[in-house]
Amino acid sequence: GAVVSQHPSWVICKSGTSVKIECRSLDFQATTMFWYRQFPKQSLMLMATSNEGSKATYEQGVEKDKFLINHASLTLSTLTVTSAHPEDSSFYICSATPGGREIGRQYFGPGTRLTVT
Amino acid sequence: RKEVEQDPGPFNVPEGATVAFNCTYSNSASQSFFWYRQDCRKEPKLLMSVYSSGNEDGRFTAQLNRASQYISLLIRDSKLSDSATYLCVVNIDTNAGKSTFGDGTTLTVKP
Repeated sequence: GAVVSQHPSWVICKSGTSVKIECRSLDFQATTMFWYRQFPKQSLMLMATSNEGSKATYEQGVEKDKFLINHASLTLSTLTVTSAHPEDSSFYICSATPGGREIGRQYFGPGTRLTVT
Repeated sequence: RKEVEQDPGPFNVPEGATVAFNCTYSNSASQSFFWYRQDCRKEPKLLMSVYSSGNEDGRFTAQLNRASQYISLLIRDSKLSDSATYLCVVNIDTNAGKSTFGDGTTLTVKP
């Protein structure tokens, strides 16, 4: 099946620093990738939809200047958490959709656990 | 009202039990439906897609009722390894791929 990787898998950073998370589709091209955030004991909350070669579409309440998304190629999207604060500590998960016969199906990366101290 | 609502849970069942999860969705234009499984501190993994005619995969049966906007997942002969959170996922715009997740139902299977 399709594989999506994320890097890093976990990161601890100091308040005020920026953190970049990479999401890669390893064996398929993904014109669309999604970024989610999940707090403990809660479901996934969609942050933004990332489209290759164009600006990301952010969900209501998500600050686009704080969560910078770049989708430079069909296999890579990055999420940068700028000026991170402790309240940004969360589990960030990306997903990609291959399209074609699998329209609607999402393949998830293993997630990145961010802790801001 | 949430776009996708699931049974609140948690469900605690003995091994071998049959357990059913329900999910309702509010948007009648929803086009595709899935059940995902998420283990603690892991990413969601697809359990099965849900088709209008209903579908079965081993011990798992999924059903869709478009008229009632209702999806179900039935697990027979529960195993300890079935313990996880089960997420109901609905796509409104299949081409866009954007999904709406339910809050999940936690299942614990006990020996």
